[in-house]
Amino acid sequence: GESVGLHLPTLSVQEGDNSIINCAYSNSASDYFIWYKQESGKGPQFIIDIRSNMDKRQGQRVTVLLNKTVKHLSLQIAATQPGDSAVYFCAETVSNDYKLSFGAGTTVTVRA
Amino acid sequence: NAGVMQNPRHLVRRRGQEARLRCSPMKGHSHVYWYRQLPEEGLKFMVYLQKENIIDESGMPKERFSAEFPKEGPSILRIQQVVRGDSAAYFCASSPYRAGLAGPYNEQFFGPGTRLTVL
Repeated sequence: GESVGLHLPTLSVQEGDNSIINCAYSNSASDYFIWYKQESGKGPQFIIDIRSNMDKRQGQRVTVLLNKTVKHLSLQIAATQPGDSAVYFCAETVSNDYKLSFGAGTTVTVRA
Repeated sequence: NAGVMQNPRHLVRRRGQEARLRCSPMKGHSHVYWYRQLPEEGLKFMVYLQKENIIDESGMPKERFSAEFPKEGPSILRIQQVVRGDSAAYFCASSPYRAGLAGPYNEQFFGPGTRLTVL
């Protein structure tokens, strides 16, 4: 499943499929980006980050892609599992700043 | 090691009342950040505090809102004379160092939030 456009509010994906969550960031000066996962009733949880001198970074089952030309960020989740159901936020900041600017989030629902 | 604690988890207030939100950072963390999440929106930075010091309150409304982080005890976000527009989820995060400068962001941990409803 894939969310398109700026950031589609919801994404429904079949268990076992790959998920792609998109995010458009706003500040051209931002050079550090983070993806967070927020489960129901909990606070945001760090997933993966990427600096602007990279265009791809991989973690465990997750990959973040950065396209600075069009100010676009994506999070790919491989083999989506029921535990991946959550709201996913991208956040941007300028290096060395403690303030994070969050996008509105994408709700991912995994179908069994 | 317990995570960031926030209480209450849910708070209901009538217009004009005061709301006090508490945040206990993780053990060993002396940096606290408060964020507000309005319905259908992402988190917005409000204030950054260290023990006994407000470092940056640029995201906090000038009136009715205040924050503190005393030498002993939790950090408090206080909203006086609440209005319906204050209804939101309020999250705090803590870190052992100043996030982004001396420490990586993956050492900034968020609490479960306080959901404030103003009737």
